[in-house]
Amino acid sequence: DSGVTQTPKHLITATGQRVTLRCSPRSGDLSVYWYQQSLDQGLQFLIQYYNGEERAKGNILERFSAQQFPDLHSELNLSSLELGDSALYFCASSVVPENTEAFFGQGTRLTVV
Amino acid sequence: DAKTTQPNSMESNEEEPVHLPCNHSTISGTDYIHWYRQLPSQGPEYVIHGLTSNVNNRMASLAIAEDRKSSTLILHRATLRDAAVYYCIPGTTSGTYKYIFGTGTRLKVLA
Repeated sequence: DSGVTQTPKHLITATGQRVTLRCSPRSGDLSVYWYQQSLDQGLQFLIQYYNGEERAKGNILERFSAQQFPDLHSELNLSSLELGDSALYFCASSVVPENTEAFFGQGTRLTVV
Repeated sequence: DAKTTQPNSMESNEEEPVHLPCNHSTISGTDYIHWYRQLPSQGPEYVIHGLTSNVNNRMASLAIAEDRKSSTLILHRATLRDAAVYYCIPGTTSGTYKYIFGTGTRLKVLA
């Protein structure tokens, strides 16, 4: 158990819908990262937050947004869902963003039908 | 972002050492080298990281070339539980720190 909690574990939704994925970081970790893993794309970095502020952005679609709240949990919002958004979404956390160990959650498997 | 090159796959016999290579010739002088692995149906797991000198922990050893253009992750005695995809990741700094995963090396451990 990494200490990072992601909910829900599984999510099935229809195209065009909007979903919210939640991540609770390890106690004491200030930095949160989001990744998307699909079969043909590998692990893609989406976005990183540190203590509530966005620190780095990857290839995150405009239909996707995220935020980190004052209690340090983070949410990833996916809207206007398409079939191609079906993937595993991982959250990771670390104490600080630089040169330290990151702990990954077990992921949320999103299926868009 | 620094680019990495790793073999797509490797095989090892159980109980034998495994050396997983990674080339990162464009790494900058202040970027650490991180290694993660992903076991089937799980999230990635931290293995080890280092900057210049060799590093050891309970899971593995990391040997970094003197010119820092390559590194090798060493599993001293492979077990079946070590079968996973291993990722070599140069950390990027300058205020935009992020972990960029490449395609990794799929390690198969033979009983």
